[in-house]
Amino acid sequence: DAKTTQPTSMDCAEGRAANLPCNHSTISGNEYVYWYRQIHSQGPQYIIHGLKNNETNEMASLIITEDRKSSTLILPHATLRDTAVYYCIVRPSAGYALNFGKGTSLLVTP
Amino acid sequence: EAGVTQSPTHLIKTRGQQATLRCSPISGHTSVYWYQQALGLGLQFLLWYDEGEERNRGNFPPRFSGRQFPNYSSELNVNALELEDSALYLCASSFGQRSSPLHFGNGTRLTVT
Repeated sequence: DAKTTQPTSMDCAEGRAANLPCNHSTISGNEYVYWYRQIHSQGPQYIIHGLKNNETNEMASLIITEDRKSSTLILPHATLRDTAVYYCIVRPSAGYALNFGKGTSLLVTP
Repeated sequence: EAGVTQSPTHLIKTRGQQATLRCSPISGHTSVYWYQQALGLGLQFLLWYDEGEERNRGNFPPRFSGRQFPNYSSELNVNALELEDSALYLCASSFGQRSSPLHFGNGTRLTVT
């Protein structure tokens, strides 16, 4: 499975954009990048996923580099409720389960 | 649209007993996944069911087992409970395609005393 590397923690001021990076240099051509977040003691929440192109939905934008070796999740206007652990996951091409790493703990401050 | 529902929310068992956890997927989803999240640890993949069949299994002993019913709901059974089995057990569901995201429930908190 392709390994991902994320910073352990990040801070962001409320109202500013939060840019969460992820490195996945060993990703294969048909493997998707998924982003989830988990607020304490709740189930992980799906945010967004993509293969090659940039993606945007009501929650966030996903920017994938042209070589697909890294990606950035962008929360355009962070709120206090965005404080959570964010997981970047490369979904293996064989077997559909997602393997969660340690993620990035994002703290949004007033 | 109703999300993934899990029951019970909390479960307390004694070491050596058996625990049964239940999961109802989102309507239309055929795949169900089970994860374990022990306190302070990450999510560990347990089991994946699709169309009633076990498709993949994580690195857990055989006393962790489950099944998926014709209506796509699922049960996770943990036999011979050990103290280390205390954890949040999360169920997720998805459509049966590799590009379909998993949607998680809020879990069952199992405490083994």
